[in-house]
Amino acid sequence: LAKTTQPISMDSYEGQEVNITCSHNNIATNDYITWYQQFPSQGPRFIIQGYKTKVTNEVASLFIPADRKSSTLSLPRVSLSDTAVYYCLVVPVGSGNTGKLIFGQGTTLQVKP
Amino acid sequence: DAGITQSPRHKVTETGTPVTLRCHQTENHRYMYWYRQDPGHGLRLIHYSYGVKDTDKGEVSDGYSVSRSKTEDFLLTLESATSSQTSVYFCAISAGPSTDTQYFGPGTRLTVL
Repeated sequence: LAKTTQPISMDSYEGQEVNITCSHNNIATNDYITWYQQFPSQGPRFIIQGYKTKVTNEVASLFIPADRKSSTLSLPRVSLSDTAVYYCLVVPVGSGNTGKLIFGQGTTLQVKP
Repeated sequence: DAGITQSPRHKVTETGTPVTLRCHQTENHRYMYWYRQDPGHGLRLIHYSYGVKDTDKGEVSDGYSVSRSKTEDFLLTLESATSSQTSVYFCAISAGPSTDTQYFGPGTRLTVL
């Protein structure tokens, strides 16, 4: 499984846009990029997933450049409730994939008033 | 939210005692997973199941065993608990392994004295 690298922590203020970048230099052709969010005392929750270019849903946007060696999770106009740990994962597709996920330490986002 | 419950939610036990944690799902998902989460390590996969009676090891399986006799239940057993197994344990489920989203339970906080 490809290793990911992301900042350990970030601070922001309410109303700002937050961009968290993840590096995955060894990503394989059949890998998808997936982000999870974890609030304190809760299990992780799926946010968004993409393969290339841009994906947007009601929670976030995911930007993936052509070489796919990095990705950026964008959270528009954050609020205090967006304070959480954000995990970037690379997930292989295919019959050999058992669903094993490597979470890493994630990025702790602290949103301040 | 996906129908996943974990029991117990909190447990304190002594070194050397057996402990069984239960994960129950109402989604009829094929795949089930046990993770542990410790400060500085993120989430790490202990064991997973890809069907009734079908299980395999994750990255930190030593000292743990699992069983799945029914689709809805996945049990994690610590045969002889040690202080190093003090952690928060999360169960997760997914419909399929590929890029399918994993849904996490609320977690069990286990303290081994």
